[in-house]
Amino acid sequence: EAQVTQNPRYLITVTGKKLTVTCSQNMNHEYMSWYRQDPGLGLRQIYYSMNVEVTDKGDVPEGYKVSRKEKRNFPLILESPSPNQTSLYFCASSLSGDQETQYFGPGTRLLVL
Amino acid sequence: AQKITQTQPGMFVQEKEAVTLDCTYDTSDQSYGLFWYKQPSSGEMIFLIYQGSYDEQNATEGRYSLNFQKARKSANLVISASQLGDSAMYFCAMSPTSGTYKYIFGTGTRLKVLA
Repeated sequence: EAQVTQNPRYLITVTGKKLTVTCSQNMNHEYMSWYRQDPGLGLRQIYYSMNVEVTDKGDVPEGYKVSRKEKRNFPLILESPSPNQTSLYFCASSLSGDQETQYFGPGTRLLVL
Repeated sequence: AQKITQTQPGMFVQEKEAVTLDCTYDTSDQSYGLFWYKQPSSGEMIFLIYQGSYDEQNATEGRYSLNFQKARKSANLVISASQLGDSAMYFCAMSPTSGTYKYIFGTGTRLKVLA
């Protein structure tokens, strides 16, 4: 089954404790992206990747890191999480990123205390 | 600056009636894509419909149609014959933006279908 998976689905952590949210897709997509969703703000793009080793900032990259060492994986790293990073996070992928439908993962709900 | 505006935070519609969800966008790009996604209470993002900026006809997918008015920079979603299962949050989105591969989403419209 074609899908985007994220782990964990739910995470409670404390300020400053490094964490990684994994994202994997099995569709051989070149484009992958991370979003955060906050009430009243919709989805905002954090980072995206056009291909292996090619990443670029979205609209809200501060406090986040990403890497794309393999085509199928695109982890999101919070090196020192803060309470304002409490949010619902989505990973998405598409074939090339150019005006294409994105396939979304199920979301990761993060609470930073 | 690139922007998507959804001016209706919430809407109600009677079951079996049609409803229009508004979306306006701002871009200086000539080539772009417009998307609508549905997010039910369970949280997943479901793709509904796509319209390319050069498409001359409005996109349709089953009960969903996109009323694309390029000169007015609007891309409204029309849902015909609303069903209870249509109750959800709906997001309008646009890509790409100004030579990047960024996607921009609106703030969403929460639709409630009444029995």
